[in-house]
Amino acid sequence: GQQVMQIPQYQHVQEGEDFTTYCNSSTTLSNIQWYKQRPGGHPVFLIQLVKSGEVKKQKRLTFQFGEAKKNSSLHITATQTTDVGTYFCARGGGADGLTFGKGTHLIIQP
Amino acid sequence: EAGVTQSPTHLIKTRGQQATLRCSPISGHTSVYWYQQALGLGLQFLLWYDEGEERNRGNFPPRFSGRQFPNYSSELNVNALELEDSALYLCASSLSTQGGSPLHFGNGTRLTVT
Repeated sequence: GQQVMQIPQYQHVQEGEDFTTYCNSSTTLSNIQWYKQRPGGHPVFLIQLVKSGEVKKQKRLTFQFGEAKKNSSLHITATQTTDVGTYFCARGGGADGLTFGKGTHLIIQP
Repeated sequence: EAGVTQSPTHLIKTRGQQATLRCSPISGHTSVYWYQQALGLGLQFLLWYDEGEERNRGNFPPRFSGRQFPNYSSELNVNALELEDSALYLCASSLSTQGGSPLHFGNGTRLTVT
């Protein structure tokens, strides 16, 4: 299936700093989903973006969908230790179901 | 509402044996996905079932197989186990395949091959 590229692979931040992960596709996305997996846990659905240029917020998390629907980002403001984990984007609607990026591991230093 | 349930939680097998992993989707969900997650790595797509049919499979050898039952629960079978099959196997279900409905994951089965 069509790949989604996610960067960076790892991100170390000090607690209180901001964090951003990016998801890019070479083809137009019908929608993009974001998931969070805590260490030792399973992926948990965060949000789905469908419209071009869409921006959605969940407390300190801001999700954006690009105007061309080929990229997306997740931004966390003032990270906390509870934000630790791996953040995955996933493209949906294709013939092979949901395709996940490789994820960004967020490591927070107190 | 009960979430996606997987059994067993842990499974220890020796090389060459067969493993069977089970998954019950959320009530009303007809699509079931299987993913393999090796330690610290991403989600590798294994199999996708919908309405009892295999819709797609990932780049895995034929010794990875499965099925979906009439009640939409699913089974993943791994034959001739190899050491590198040791991983967390995650099952997920969704309402529909249309438009890429969000996936709800189970807690996974940790398979260890010795």
